[in-house]
Amino acid sequence: EVQLVESGGGLVQPGGSLRLSCAVSGFTVSSTWMSWVRQAPGKGLEWVGNIKEDGSDKYYVDSVRGRFTISRDTAQNSLYLQMNSLRVEDTAMYYCARDHYGVPSGATYDIWGQGTMVTVSS
Amino acid sequence: EIVLTQSPGTLSLSPGERATLSCRASQSVPGSYVAWYRQKPGQAPRLLIYGASSRATGIPDRFSGSGSGTDFTLTISRLEPEDFAVYHCQQYGSSPRTFGQGTKVEIK
Repeated sequence: EVQLVESGGGLVQPGGSLRLSCAVSGFTVSSTWMSWVRQAPGKGLEWVGNIKEDGSDKYYVDSVRGRFTISRDTAQNSLYLQMNSLRVEDTAMYYCARDHYGVPSGATYDIWGQGTMVTVSS
Repeated sequence: EIVLTQSPGTLSLSPGERATLSCRASQSVPGSYVAWYRQKPGQAPRLLIYGASSRATGIPDRFSGSGSGTDFTLTISRLEPEDFAVYHCQQYGSSPRTFGQGTKVEIK
């Protein structure tokens, strides 16, 4: 069964760090681009960043570049999001998702996890 | 960055009725690379339409998409109970890929 399962969310103080994980089953992380997408409470969706299937290229939205890092582990078949210098405005549900129907400028997402909630508050 | 504006914010309809949702872009979307997702409460989004008008795998034909340039539309021909949800449009023709703020379809 094709499935994504996120974990690692929680409550963290501003300036703190958190590492999110996304366990992949039914396909391999080395076969496709993967993304992180977030949704602040009551708000729309926002693409956070993505990683190429071979791990060689990574892209981020401006608001997280330099603070967040996406990585993957082919042995664990998992995707990760290391979040440093967290801000209140990073509070959101974080989803991992598989890129699909991709074109050079971007892609849609055909498989999503259930999400993990990150709350940044003092 | 292309900004997507969805309208209306909320659409109140009855089961069996037709729903028409709009997504307007701040500039032309290259290739008409626009997607639509349905998000039920407490769930992750599900891809419905890609490339403005192509249905994703397993999506019933009551969902249809149209449009080009800056104006795109999602039409649900007859609303089923599971269709009362929030709908998001997304453009992926220009980096960064961006989403609209969502349209909620609620039961009247």
